[in-house]
Amino acid sequence: DAGVIQSPRHEVTEMGQEVTLRCKPISGHDYLFWYRQTMMRGLELLIYFNNNVPIDDSGMPEDRFSAKMPNASFSTLKIQPSEPRDSAVYFCASSLGGLGGNTIYFGEGSWLTVV
Amino acid sequence: AQSVTQPDIHITVSEGASLELRCNYSYGATPYLFWYVQSPGQGLQLLLKYFSGDTLVQGIKGFEAEFKRSQSSFNLRKPSVHWSDAAEYFCAVGAAGNTDKLIFGTGTRLQVFP
Repeated sequence: DAGVIQSPRHEVTEMGQEVTLRCKPISGHDYLFWYRQTMMRGLELLIYFNNNVPIDDSGMPEDRFSAKMPNASFSTLKIQPSEPRDSAVYFCASSLGGLGGNTIYFGEGSWLTVV
Repeated sequence: AQSVTQPDIHITVSEGASLELRCNYSYGATPYLFWYVQSPGQGLQLLLKYFSGDTLVQGIKGFEAEFKRSQSSFNLRKPSVHWSDAAEYFCAVGAAGNTDKLIFGTGTRLQVFP
């Protein structure tokens, strides 16, 4: 079975540009998570969805960040406008049934550099 | 709120030596505990998890971890380290019941010398 698929794997963009990161969760999974990893702050949960509905977006840094999940097989994380401090690895993850005895599977990440 | 502490930022061991990576958590109820491994340039792979039952948990790649409620710890162990185990290891805690958040520690980077 395919795992969590993220695109792009690597992106370099200029400050002020819009960035869109994409995620395809594992088929049948009903939870989707977006994490950000930086050297300074480690792994941070940005937002998660259950059955395509955002449940907790308290980790989203500011209004420049937005996430959507239009259907069960696709999610986007958008940064507009991007800033150099947004440079990080963004991970998408999915699970079946949330944390109650279940495993969260991670994608390989989208490596974002904003110059 | 739950939290995770990994006191060792960087550990170096010789190949064939035993390994123990420390993890302490803070949570008022029974937590769900996980260890993930991240190789350079890769995503996170689950090594093992604890939800309930036997406090000694076996995982992949020869790793094991022991849940000690009295010490709020979930240390990861391996009796004999291989060079391919060099990676970053993350302990994580999930809160049962009212949230599906998984909170990660800051990670421990393992270096293995031949």
